[in-house]
Amino acid sequence: ETGVTQSPTHLIKTRGQQVTLRCSSQSGHNTVSWYQQALGQGPQFIFQYYREEENGRGNFPPRFSGLQFPNYSSELNVNALELDDSALYLCASSLVGTSGTDTQYFGPGTRLTVL
Amino acid sequence: GNSVTQMEGPVTLSEEAFLTINCTYTATGYPSLFWYVQYPGEGLQLLLKATKADDKGSNKGFEATYRKETTSFHLEKGSVQVSDSAVYFCALNRGSTLGRLYFGRGTQLTVWP
Repeated sequence: ETGVTQSPTHLIKTRGQQVTLRCSSQSGHNTVSWYQQALGQGPQFIFQYYREEENGRGNFPPRFSGLQFPNYSSELNVNALELDDSALYLCASSLVGTSGTDTQYFGPGTRLTVL
Repeated sequence: GNSVTQMEGPVTLSEEAFLTINCTYTATGYPSLFWYVQYPGEGLQLLLKATKADDKGSNKGFEATYRKETTSFHLEKGSVQVSDSAVYFCALNRGSTLGRLYFGRGTQLTVWP
């Protein structure tokens, strides 16, 4: 079974720039969720994609957007970067079935630094 | 609303000591409960889970029991090892098709030889 992978591992951007982070979900999973983990904090839910549609969103502004592709991989895009966007971005994949969402499995994360 | 409260860290123990990390939750409906572990510089790994009241999740010597009456899911291990040093996160999922996880702030555990 292939685990969740993310790219790139690290990224440095300047304020105002745009960034795209990528995630490949675990084999057999159909749902991808994105989380932001600031230093010393627990992960915060950004949004979830299911069947290529956004299936729920946390308290993040519209400049955070995403995509899910037919192979269930996903992208997270952040426009107009701010210093507070510096964080570890985690992708999690899971299988949604008739009984709800199964366990989410996380990738290693992308460390974004905004200068 | 939905939230998770974990005991504040850091927790420092000697090898072979007994570990308890407290976790309480507030949730609507019947959530599933999880413990995730994060080793330095890495993502989150699922440690254990429980999906209904009185269930006990266990893995690698760690255990946690879903207590609906006290809304708790405390993590325990009888004898910790240096390799258990990590940050531990308690989380809940309301179990709907929106699999949003609500996390606690994490508890840093350091085990000394």
